[in-house]
Amino acid sequence: GAGVSQTPSNKVTEKGKYVELRCDPISGHTALYWYRQSLGQGPEFLIYFQGTGAADDSGLPNDRFFAVRPEGSVSTLKIQRTERGDSAMYLCASSPSGTSGGPGEQFFGPGTRLTVL
Amino acid sequence: AQSVTQLGSHVSVSEGALVLLRCNYSSSVPPYLFWYVQYPNQGLQLLLKYTTGATLVKGINGFEAEFKKSETSFHLTKPSAHMSDAAEYFCAVTRGGATNKLIFGTGTLLAVQP
Repeated sequence: GAGVSQTPSNKVTEKGKYVELRCDPISGHTALYWYRQSLGQGPEFLIYFQGTGAADDSGLPNDRFFAVRPEGSVSTLKIQRTERGDSAMYLCASSPSGTSGGPGEQFFGPGTRLTVL
Repeated sequence: AQSVTQLGSHVSVSEGALVLLRCNYSSSVPPYLFWYVQYPNQGLQLLLKYTTGATLVKGINGFEAEFKKSETSFHLTKPSAHMSDAAEYFCAVTRGGATNKLIFGTGTLLAVQP
């Protein structure tokens, strides 16, 4: 079956612009995660959705970052007034469940590489 | 707070040699531990995980890891390296609970020499 997909694969934008990054999780997965991976670092947690609601947004770095998942499937990460420091790989992962019986495996998409000039 | 330390950002081995990638964790509660592999231009793929039970965990592609609580370690090994093992490897920990968010180490880039 299809895995997690992310679009676009690459996004180049100018400082101050607005960007949207899309994640299509595996069908039926209720849990969805966004991570950010800077060069030479491991992924860092941004936000977690269980269904339509953001159950944990403690990793969002500031109020320029926002994410939605209106129908409990596709999610969009939105970044306003982009800064050069936002340049990174943005990863999305989905899981069958975020809560029961120990952690379910998180399946990762290929990521969106964001470059802010 | 939880954290993960991966010793050695770059490891190079010869084809057929033992692979040992080190991971130490810090957690105030019994952790769940993972190893992920990332090939160039691909997403992270789960190699193996420890949740409960047997402390020696076997994963895909011949990799295994042993959870040692006394040493707070979860080192990844493979008896004989293959050229196709060249990739970046990430150790991760979660405490489970409502979020299951993963805390990753900084990664180890494995090179396999012919």
